[in-house]
Amino acid sequence: GAVVSQHPSRVICKSGTSVKIECRSLDFQATTMFWYRQFPKQSLMLMATSNEGSKATYEQGVEKDKFLINHASLTLSTLTVTSAHPEDSSFYICSARVTGGTQGYGYTFGSGTRLTVV
Amino acid sequence: DAKTTQPTSMDCAEGRAANLPCNHSTISGNEYVYWYRQIHSQGPQYIIHGLKNNETNEMASLIITEDRKSSTLILPHATLRDTAVYYCIVRVDSGGSNYKLTFGKGTLLTVNP
Repeated sequence: GAVVSQHPSRVICKSGTSVKIECRSLDFQATTMFWYRQFPKQSLMLMATSNEGSKATYEQGVEKDKFLINHASLTLSTLTVTSAHPEDSSFYICSARVTGGTQGYGYTFGSGTRLTVV
Repeated sequence: DAKTTQPTSMDCAEGRAANLPCNHSTISGNEYVYWYRQIHSQGPQYIIHGLKNNETNEMASLIITEDRKSSTLILPHATLRDTAVYYCIVRVDSGGSNYKLTFGKGTLLTVNP
């Protein structure tokens, strides 16, 4: 099946530094990827939609200059948390659409990145 | 996408069937019912989806009422590894690549030994 690989799985960084999270589609091309954030005991909240070769679309309230998204190829999207602060500590998850097949127009998800800003 | 309502939590004994309900009374004719689950500290995992007919795969069965206003996900023989948050999502099965997937709060299923 379609697999999305996300790295790193965990990262601890100092306040004020930047962190890059990668999301790769391993056996399919992903024109569109989605980035979610999940705080403890809460549901997934969509942050932005990443489109290959064009600018990402951010959800309301998400700072595009703080959460930089690059989708330079059909198999790689990156999320960079710039000037990270403790309140950015969260679980970040990427997702890509799977068109057709047994999942219908479903989505496959990465394993997530636990970011801790100290 | 139509709104869904799920119980906050449920318990199930290991080896027994787990029946997770979902209400989607405002579902429209072209909207599918999707189920995903999220095991703690992992990304969500697709389980099953359906439109009108009941569906079954190697993971679960999906029972959709005739009026399509509610559905039930059935895990026939729950194991401890099935402990997770289960999300019922109703959405159009669109070919548009930008179509977003929106998560509600889901049901925390705890399978007990």
